[in-house]
Order: sequence, then C-alpha cells, then structure tokens
Amino acid sequence: GDSVTQTEGPVTVSESESLIINCTYSATSIAYPNLFWYVRYPGEGLQLLLKVITAGQKGSSRGFEATYNKETTSFHLQKASVQESDSAVYYCALGGSSNNRIFFGDGTQLVVKP
Amino acid sequence: GPKVLQIPSHQIIDMGQMVTLNCDPVSNHLYFYWYKQILGQQMEFLVNFYNGKVMEKSKLFKDQFSVERPDGSYFTLKIQPTALEDSAVYFCASSLARTGGAETLYFGSGTRLTVL
Repeated sequence: GDSVTQTEGPVTVSESESLIINCTYSATSIAYPNLFWYVRYPGEGLQLLLKVITAGQKGSSRGFEATYNKETTSFHLQKASVQESDSAVYYCALGGSSNNRIFFGDGTQLVVKP
Repeated sequence: GPKVLQIPSHQIIDMGQMVTLNCDPVSNHLYFYWYKQILGQQMEFLVNFYNGKVMEKSKLFKDQFSVERPDGSYFTLKIQPTALEDSAVYFCASSLARTGGAETLYFGSGTRLTVL
C-alpha cells in the first residue's frame, strides 16, 4: 500500500547541532508521488515546511532541506544547525493522488536543548 | 499565513450522542478535508469535499459520519451516533485547488473528541 515511515521520536539534540530525521515511503497506487514535510509547533495547527514534487529535486525552508530520492524511496529532513525554536513535531507525508489525499508518517518529536 | 480554525478544541460526549465538529476553512479555498488521529497513531485521511460533494472517503469514514458545508459557512463533520472508538483528534484542512496531489493543505489545530 501507500505509506510513510519516519524516525521514531523523541529526538533530542542540543542547539547548534546538526539534525537528520529519516523518512522512507512506499507508493504503490500513486504514479507520481509528491513528498512533503509538515511541522506542528506547540499549540498550533500542522503547517507545510517544504515539499518536492519532482524526483531528484531538493526542497528547503527555514534552514531545513530534504531531497526526493526515488531510488532509495527516501525524503530525509536535515538541518545543519538547529535552534531551540525548531522544537516541534515533524511529519513526513506522501501525496500525489488526484484528490489530494495525503499519507502521513507517525511524526517525530524534536526537542532542542538550549 | 492562512488560518484554518476549528471549534471547539475539545469536546466530551456520551456514547450514542451526536456530535458536530466545526471547521472554518481559509476563505477562498475550495477543497476541504478531515483527518483523524487516534492517540499514538498516525494521522489518517477520512474524507475530502468539493463543490458540495464528497470526492473521496476512506474506510474510516463510517456510515455514521457525514460532512457538509451549508451556504459556504462552516465545514462540518457530524458523527451520529458516536462510539467509543471515535475518540480521537480530528483535523480539518483546506486547499485552494487540486493540482494532482501537489497542493499545500492548511490544517487547523484539531478538535479532541472524547467519547465516554
């Protein structure tokens, strides 16, 4: 089926350290997968962090990057130097169906220590 | 950025009662969605809605569920009657268009439904 698997949280890092949250996907019914990272900050709704709709391309936002790798079916989220304000829950998501149905991973809670 | 508002943030009801969850989507958006997240599990698609009709629903969208958006007001999810397994956080989302699955969805903060 169509699904997303991501790093199990919580992930705890110190401020200014680097971060990687792994994400792999399975898209059996979607011809052209689109990949997203959404983020939920405390007390807020889910919001788009970045998206990539073409294999081989990289998306970036707020210092975060993710590359759509079709060969390894991965879309890992990386940041070179995290800040305390990055503490949130990050969701990798798979889209591409005609009705915008999105498949979410379990979410990875990121805790950044000062 | 654009905001989707969900009212109320938390609702507690007795099993068998009816409940209506309200969503105020982004004003010019045309597509509306409900997702369900049981504690500790993934957020899962329930239904999407466009031009007054359900476009797609998942197997989680039971016969007891219904959605509507009368006269462009709130987009609502009604559960009648409720069951214990309906306890979850329900997220509403909206999007401007439906560009082959690449559209950005805007989500609300969710309504936590507790069925006793």
